[in-house]
Amino acid sequence: KQEVTQIPAALSVPEGENLVLNCSFTDSAIYNLQWFRQDPGKGLTSLLLIQSSQREQTSGRLNASLDKSSGRSTLYIAASQPGDSATYLCAVTSYGQNFVFGPGTRLSVLP
Amino acid sequence: DTGVSQNPRHKITKRGQNVTFRCDPISEHNRLYWYRQTLGQGPEFLTYFQNEAQLEKSRLLSDRFSAERPKGSFSTLEIQRTEQGDSAMYLCASSMDTNTGELFFGEGSRLTVL
Repeated sequence: KQEVTQIPAALSVPEGENLVLNCSFTDSAIYNLQWFRQDPGKGLTSLLLIQSSQREQTSGRLNASLDKSSGRSTLYIAASQPGDSATYLCAVTSYGQNFVFGPGTRLSVLP
Repeated sequence: DTGVSQNPRHKITKRGQNVTFRCDPISEHNRLYWYRQTLGQGPEFLTYFQNEAQLEKSRLLSDRFSAERPKGSFSTLEIQRTEQGDSAMYLCASSMDTNTGELFFGEGSRLTVL
């Protein structure tokens, strides 16, 4: 059974810092890994999708990497801003299977 | 494209009542998922459809829960005889049946059972 963990559970940084969020999964036979952002009381917003054949994806100040063999992904946020404050979740799936989510990392970027 | 739409956004009900949530996926998406999320946790999978076929159902989904997607478009999630433990955010998501399979979520339906 696939299990996903995220470290740290919470993170507080001053504005402008670069930061890394971590995601680990137990079964490396994944098809996709997706990073999401969730604001309080809202749904999830897709940030980046990495297919199993890819090593990384970039969107603006975000860069996500994937190392299938070690069961890890990282989300790098450059030059953090207060508007980046949210919970960040990763999820993995195997083809035709449902997405399994981690518990999330709650990020606070202080002005 | 208006994205994934869920209704109602909030529902407050008394224990023992039945509630129904509706999800309208992105129009060209043939996969539709239901998840449940409680405070401080990641979403937990409940069930998913490919077109009108319900392909997987979690053990979390007790007999009081039923989901349908009758014409392969919108879906409903019904909870019968609600219990306080059912209080949660119910999230719907959809994706295309392609190699990318990127998941898109709605804003969720928050259920409070008194």
